[in-house]
Amino acid sequence: AQSVTQLDSQVPVFEEAPVELRCNYSSSVSVYLFWYVQYPNQGLQLLLKYLSGSTLVESINGFEAEFNKSQTSFHLRKPSVHISDTAEYFCAVSENTGGFKTIFGAGTRLFVKA
Amino acid sequence: ETGVTQSPTHLIKTRGQQVTLRCSSQSGHNTVSWYQQALGQGPQFIFQYYREEENGRGNFPPRFSGLQFPNYSSELNVNALELDDSALYLCASSHPTSVHTGELFFGEGSRLTVL
Repeated sequence: AQSVTQLDSQVPVFEEAPVELRCNYSSSVSVYLFWYVQYPNQGLQLLLKYLSGSTLVESINGFEAEFNKSQTSFHLRKPSVHISDTAEYFCAVSENTGGFKTIFGAGTRLFVKA
Repeated sequence: ETGVTQSPTHLIKTRGQQVTLRCSSQSGHNTVSWYQQALGQGPQFIFQYYREEENGRGNFPPRFSGLQFPNYSSELNVNALELDDSALYLCASSHPTSVHTGELFFGEGSRLTVL
């Protein structure tokens, strides 16, 4: 069965510093991978996704994630964070078997300090 | 384009009561999934509806049930509420061309408090 592990529950970082949020998954088949962001008292918004092709995917606001099949990882990175990036980030996986459910990690709270 | 909308946004119930949460899917989306997000945790898959039928279910008891209507809107019903049912309930819809990838479009959620 698929599962997702987010290795850090909280990541404090100073503004303009780089950040990496770690995500590892477990699955016996090929997968689709996602990062979602959740701001306080809101639903989840898709940040970026890996479906196929290039293993490096980017979002419009400067985040990127790299799919590493051998390490079963999909870490999220940003070279310079802003105060507005403070939010909860969820890694998610869906199995490429025509499956019906997307599984989420427990989340990583990114706290950007001035 | 209208996004996923959920109602009510907040509600308070007492243990043993029943609750119905509603969701309108994003325009053009025909699949609806429901998730439970307890405080400080990630969303947990409850079930998915497609063509008005349950298309898959997570590890939730039968007192969690749902419906999907011909206009693709959906309801989540929870009977015999327990204190642990207190959570944010998220509805997510999927477009026909991307449903196989598991890509989801979420509503703002309904926050249920059980006293």
